[in-house]
Amino acid sequence: NAGVTQTPKFRVLKTGQSMTLLCAQDMNHEYMYWYRQDPGMGLRLIHYSVGEGTTAKGEVPDGYNVSRLKKQNFLLGLESAAPSQTSVYFCASSYSATGVYGYTFGSGTRLTVV
Amino acid sequence: ELKVEQNPLFLSMQEGKNYTIYCNYSTTSDRLYWYRQDPGKSLESLFVLLSNGAVKQEGRLMASLDTKARLSTLHITAAVHDLSATYFCAAGQGGSEKLVFGKGTKLTVNP
Repeated sequence: NAGVTQTPKFRVLKTGQSMTLLCAQDMNHEYMYWYRQDPGMGLRLIHYSVGEGTTAKGEVPDGYNVSRLKKQNFLLGLESAAPSQTSVYFCASSYSATGVYGYTFGSGTRLTVV
Repeated sequence: ELKVEQNPLFLSMQEGKNYTIYCNYSTTSDRLYWYRQDPGKSLESLFVLLSNGAVKQEGRLMASLDTKARLSTLHITAAVHDLSATYFCAAGQGGSEKLVFGKGTKLTVNP
């Protein structure tokens, strides 16, 4: 059972570089989310998707873009990385909007921007 | 805007003792979740609470939900070292797919 798979697991970027984080789920979930986790801040929603071809902004969307071209994949892009984007990024997916069955999280991507 | 507050943020307890973590949320929510996170790991789902008065138990952990008080609790009974982790609560707002997380409670259980 793969569940939610995130790649890469670790990455170091220089300020101004770009990168894409990939999230893939094999549970046929409609809803997918990108969160960032910073010390003492809990998890904050960056962007989310309610289905293939849709995306929406979360709590902290600035500096990020997303795409959901295929139902199973949700990509998070950083066009010009900044040190403030140093964080651990988690992808999650859910079967329904009400989350009756809960949310499944990936293992995280630890990103450092120097 | 939905806000979620957990307390305490840090909790150090001895094995065998009982304690409760509190999760307050600011506006109406139709679902409440508890997660566990070990250092450097992902979030593991513990409980999903969907209605007022819901109570769920798994081992030494019991979660409850009081929607009128906008309060959920995670009660730890006879703590053991293996329960050491960070615990998050998260609330979902009706009609929204989004979850709002608390800042987490770092629990350390000492022998």
